[in-house]
Amino acid sequence: TQLLEQSPQFLSIQEGENLTVYCNSSSVFSSLQWYRQEPGEGPVLLVTVVTGGEVKKLKRLTFQFGDARKDSSLHITAAQTGDTGLYLCAGLSIQGAQKLVFGQGTRLTINP
Amino acid sequence: SAVISQKPSRDICQRGTSLTIQCQVDSQVTMMFWYRQQPGQSLTLIATANQGSEATYESGFVIDKFPISRPNLTFSTLTVSNMSPEDSSIYLCSVLGGIGGAFFGQGTRLTVV
Repeated sequence: TQLLEQSPQFLSIQEGENLTVYCNSSSVFSSLQWYRQEPGEGPVLLVTVVTGGEVKKLKRLTFQFGDARKDSSLHITAAQTGDTGLYLCAGLSIQGAQKLVFGQGTRLTINP
Repeated sequence: SAVISQKPSRDICQRGTSLTIQCQVDSQVTMMFWYRQQPGQSLTLIATANQGSEATYESGFVIDKFPISRPNLTFSTLTVSNMSPEDSSIYLCSVLGGIGGAFFGQGTRLTVV
């Protein structure tokens, strides 16, 4: 069974600070995605990383895929209150049926 | 991208009853996925619904409890049967995009009393 360990599970910081969320596994994934979910809504895809070592930037968010395609990180620079939400990483299995494996999620709170 | 409409958005149900959740996609897709998200937690895959064949269930989920229909390439239903308070969760349907990222409906918030 493929598992994704996401950390930290809870993070509360002040506006303007930087933060990093990690997603680790012993398994290789064909791609890894990051989602953000707000209350009452389904998760919304932020980014997909496919190539080992890949780095993608989305405004103040930087996503990195590990060289071995087993881990990923999300870094937010100068966090804003609007960044508050549940962040989820998910990996697409490399073998067998195509399905996503989700990490436990990081509940991020940015305080004004 | 895909637009997914899910209904109902929320419901409060009596224990022992069943609820059917509908999921409509704006394009034809081979696979549709049903997830459960318990309060404050991440997503757990219930089953994969393929058109023209029986759904594939994940460990811990059975067809008698969560029957799924997939009558065509744009629609699926999930039924939560013989509900108990432990079934109170958000239920989400999803499809995969071109590069593996998923698109989700807004979810059905189920409360069983």
